[in-house]
Amino acid sequence: SQQGEEDPQALSIQEGENATMNCSYKTSINNLQWYRQNSGRGLVHLILIRSNEREKHSGRLRVTLDTSKKSSSLLITASRAADTASYFCATVLNMFSGGYNKLIFGAGTRLAVHP
Amino acid sequence: EAGVAQSPRYKIIEKRQSVAFWCNPISGHATLYWYQQILGQGPKLLIQFQNNGVVDDSQLPKDRFSAERLKGVDSTLKIQPAKLEDSAVYLCASSQIKGPVGGNTIYFGEGSWLTVV
Repeated sequence: SQQGEEDPQALSIQEGENATMNCSYKTSINNLQWYRQNSGRGLVHLILIRSNEREKHSGRLRVTLDTSKKSSSLLITASRAADTASYFCATVLNMFSGGYNKLIFGAGTRLAVHP
Repeated sequence: EAGVAQSPRYKIIEKRQSVAFWCNPISGHATLYWYQQILGQGPKLLIQFQNNGVVDDSQLPKDRFSAERLKGVDSTLKIQPAKLEDSAVYLCASSQIKGPVGGNTIYFGEGSWLTVV
């Protein structure tokens, strides 16, 4: 099953409102990343937060991480119609036995921002 | 900097036929990934290469899927024979060094859309 699960599955808001998406995961992580996917396109990396960080900002994006609850949230402030896309959290697992790292995605939140 | 290139972008085949997807990663990226994304779901890792060696193929249906990475650069993903449930987008991605640790961002291609009828 997926490592990360996003909530809500779908979110519909008006331009100018804030959008909050949540992600829960199951195992210990190295870091957690958020990606965006426009319809019919590939994924684009938005922001990374390390396991020892609690909050991170990038422009209109704010990400929080609570490792005790195994959860993260992505806040998009002052949303725009162009923010309409699917947003995925992805957790990075250290595969120590194999000497590599693995990125596992959740099911995503589909955000619709209406003008 | 050129991005991850994938081809073909779209493919429609009948069940039991075969199909192959090609990926050219960003120059110098040691790690290459193939993900399968079924409509409405998140991407699922099929196989991960480091240079030309496989580090993870735990979720690759090996009875019908195969992948190779020639000379540690380009990669092909093949499905033979295809089933209806293989209809999905196949995303190739690449990253530097050993993967998504620290600031090593994963860069994705636009994907190859497969419809099996």
